[in-house]
Amino acid sequence: DQQVKQNSPSLSVQEGRISILNCDYTNSMFDYFLWYKKYPAEGPTFLISISSIKDKNEDGRFTVFLNKSAKHLSLHIVPSQPGDSAVYFCAASRVNAGGTSYGKLTFGQGTILTVHP
Amino acid sequence: DGGITQSPKYLFRKEGQNVTLSCEQNLNHDAMYWYRQDPGQGLRLIYYSQIVNDFQKGDIAEGYSVSREKKESFPLTVTSAQKNPTAFYLCASSSHRAKVTEAFFGQGTRLTVV
Repeated sequence: DQQVKQNSPSLSVQEGRISILNCDYTNSMFDYFLWYKKYPAEGPTFLISISSIKDKNEDGRFTVFLNKSAKHLSLHIVPSQPGDSAVYFCAASRVNAGGTSYGKLTFGQGTILTVHP
Repeated sequence: DGGITQSPKYLFRKEGQNVTLSCEQNLNHDAMYWYRQDPGQGLRLIYYSQIVNDFQKGDIAEGYSVSREKKESFPLTVTSAQKNPTAFYLCASSSHRAKVTEAFFGQGTRLTVV
């Protein structure tokens, strides 16, 4: 049962344009969402996150949007750069009553982003 | 520098042999995790530990074992019972005290069973 899904295995974008990566989830108990970036043969690195009490979080060129009613989130990268080419993973977790998540994450399958010069 | 260290980066073993992957962190994080990455399947949780001397099975624990004798260390043993052990293994850690509780990952170990 895939609780977090990234339905696009790959995305190709021209340098300078916007990249939009999508993620859907089925478990309504998830209330914290994260995006990770991964290069081949390396560990994922954290990019940006969003709590379910928000619908948007922005950090430089990266913006994450959350639509709770649709159980959908997206990562926007603008402008896209060749160095952004990597695999992007969406992940979800639950925050406990103390207000922290233990970092136990459920990941999507990943989307390979290629940014062409 | 603080971080998570996985060793070795590449590991080859014969079928039927047990093998132990190392994971050490000096971030003073309470929780540690083992994930497995296979092509097209993302990262799947094998085992996790939230405190020393305690650990829980993840989604794909069969054929694996772990220990958490020290806060800094969370070794993973891939046993001969694991039917398809060839994969990229990732260790991660996180803090209970951080509000933004992203997990920090090591560089991974590529295990190939021949």
